[in-house]
Amino acid sequence: QQQVKQSPQSLIVQKGGISIINCAYENTAFDYFPWYQQFPGKGPALLIAIRPDVSEKKEGRFTISFNKSAKQFSLHIMDSQPGDSATYFCAASRNAGNMLTFGGGTRLMVKP
Amino acid sequence: SAVISQKPSRDICQRGTSLTIQCQVDSQVTMMFWYRQQPGQSLTLIATANQGSEATYESGFVIDKFPISRPNLTFSTLTVSNMSPEDSSIYLCSVEQSTDTQYFGPGTRLTVL
Repeated sequence: QQQVKQSPQSLIVQKGGISIINCAYENTAFDYFPWYQQFPGKGPALLIAIRPDVSEKKEGRFTISFNKSAKQFSLHIMDSQPGDSATYFCAASRNAGNMLTFGGGTRLMVKP
Repeated sequence: SAVISQKPSRDICQRGTSLTIQCQVDSQVTMMFWYRQQPGQSLTLIATANQGSEATYESGFVIDKFPISRPNLTFSTLTVSNMSPEDSSIYLCSVEQSTDTQYFGPGTRLTVL
């Protein structure tokens, strides 16, 4: 599996702040980039996903920015809330129905 | 999205024994996958469960250790065989739906003593 590198490993943000998580990939054949949110004891839940034909996708407080030339994509959580405290995983695949290669995960804590 | 259930939700097993994990989906799906998530780690694909044929395993995973069945389009099992403490992980099934997204089950938390 080609590697997907995710940073930071952990992140502490004040309530109302912006949380930013970054990922970089190697395989240029990847064309589907989802983000998953995982709470303790639960399976990962799909948060938002993007394809390389767009540079940004926004859903509510969550935005993915995508830079194809740099092979990087990031998740921005606006107005972060304590309920957003979870582990976030970026992933990539050659198409949406194929196996996912996951980043290492980011443990986000939003302080009240 | 598909509703995915896994059984058991957690188990504590003795070294050398085997455990079969079930994954049930409430609708027919083409693709089903099994992942492993070791404590505090990310997810690693074990295999793709193919309906009506042998599973496709990723590097580092073999059928003798992780036999998989997929008898129909809504059900799959993963067996963790001859367990050791290193097999202690969360095992997750995921499915791909027609909306081209992958959804995960709640996971099975396995502890091997």
